[in-house]
Amino acid sequence: EDKVVQSPLSLVVHEGDTVTLNCSYEVTNFRSLLWYKQEKKAPTFLFMLTSSGIEKKSGRLSSILDKKELFSILNITATQTGDSAVYLCAVSALDKIIFGKGTRLHILP
Amino acid sequence: ETGVTQTPRHLVMGMTNKKSLKCEQHLGHNAMYWYKQSAKKPLELMFVYNFKEQTENNSVPSRFSPECPNSSHLFLHLHTLQPEDSALYLCASSRGTDRASYNSPLHFGNGTRLTVT
Repeated sequence: EDKVVQSPLSLVVHEGDTVTLNCSYEVTNFRSLLWYKQEKKAPTFLFMLTSSGIEKKSGRLSSILDKKELFSILNITATQTGDSAVYLCAVSALDKIIFGKGTRLHILP
Repeated sequence: ETGVTQTPRHLVMGMTNKKSLKCEQHLGHNAMYWYKQSAKKPLELMFVYNFKEQTENNSVPSRFSPECPNSSHLFLHLHTLQPEDSALYLCASSRGTDRASYNSPLHFGNGTRLTVT
């Protein structure tokens, strides 16, 4: 059965810390892995990864995919309170998109 | 403003009511989706429309009935719901003309928080 597993499920850190969120998957006909940030309502798109080993960066956020070991990480450096959110990982396959349960990140001031 | 607008934001309905959720996208996308988000569960895909044609119906109970009159509008008609249907219902859109639509980032609306009493 296809699945996407995120860890940890929740995380509390202090402002300025660096965090690493994990996403592992077992999905047939893999096409891409996507990260979303959900603060209150609408998840917003962060990254789409299709190739192994190529880091995608956007400000303090970065992500990389390992298609051999079937996982991705999302790094956030110098965290700020505005980074508090649920981070969703999704895997796109030939005929479906599968979401993980998300990691709830809380940044303490 | 996300480019995908959902109304209403909140809805409380009894089990015998009939109501509809509305979604409109202003992004020129061809695919639209309904997702259900319950506490501590992954996002569940309910329906997909690609160029106004329904391409997915993930074993959703018939008390949920989608309608897609054009590429910009999507409705979810609700009737005789159960308390376990209470959840956040998210609409999303993406590019795509075929199954490749699953490989495009989704743009979500703010959702409708539905409570069934």
